[in-house]
Amino acid sequence: EDKVVQSPLSLVVHEGDTVTLNCSYEVTNFRSLLWYKQEKKAPTFLFMLTSSGIEKKSGRLSSILDKKELFSILNITATQTGDSAVYLCAGTNNAGNMLTFGGGTRLMVKP
Amino acid sequence: GAVVSQHPSRVICKSGTSVKIECRSLDFQATTMFWYRQFPKQSLMLMATSNEGSKATYEQGVEKDKFLINHASLTLSTLTVTSAHPEDSSFYICSATETGWVEQFFGPGTRLTVL
Repeated sequence: EDKVVQSPLSLVVHEGDTVTLNCSYEVTNFRSLLWYKQEKKAPTFLFMLTSSGIEKKSGRLSSILDKKELFSILNITATQTGDSAVYLCAGTNNAGNMLTFGGGTRLMVKP
Repeated sequence: GAVVSQHPSRVICKSGTSVKIECRSLDFQATTMFWYRQFPKQSLMLMATSNEGSKATYEQGVEKDKFLINHASLTLSTLTVTSAHPEDSSFYICSATETGWVEQFFGPGTRLTVL
């Protein structure tokens, strides 16, 4: 059975701090790892990672995939209160478009 | 990016009634749609996968007679919660994708409260 595990479960930081969120996966016929940000409604897409070692960057957010260690990290630098959310990672396989979600990391950024 | 809408965004109903939630892809053909349920402070749990024109495939533990899914066209899927009970109260989210795509596009979700 496919499994995606995120750590930490929750995190409280102050504005300006840098955070690293972790995601490990066990997905048969793995294809891609996706990161989402969820605030009050449905998740919004952040990154899709398919190749190992290539960093994807969007503003203060960046992410990288290690297919050897079955691991991905999401970095957020110079955090802001607007970064407070649940961050979800999900793995998908070659068989179809099914996503297996991790449990999420709840990030709270204090002023 | 591709847009998925969901309706209604919020519904409150009495126990024993049925509720229908619509999920529409607005600018692409959704060959596959997914229905998720999310309880407070938990992650998304996949309920079922539906391919246009076919019967939905339900995840283990999800009652297909209680959660009726219809994916009759390439732009619309519906989830009907039949004889809803308070324990069915949850946030229901659909997502859609097209053949060949990896990414799923999520609808905004429907918050169901059963009194």
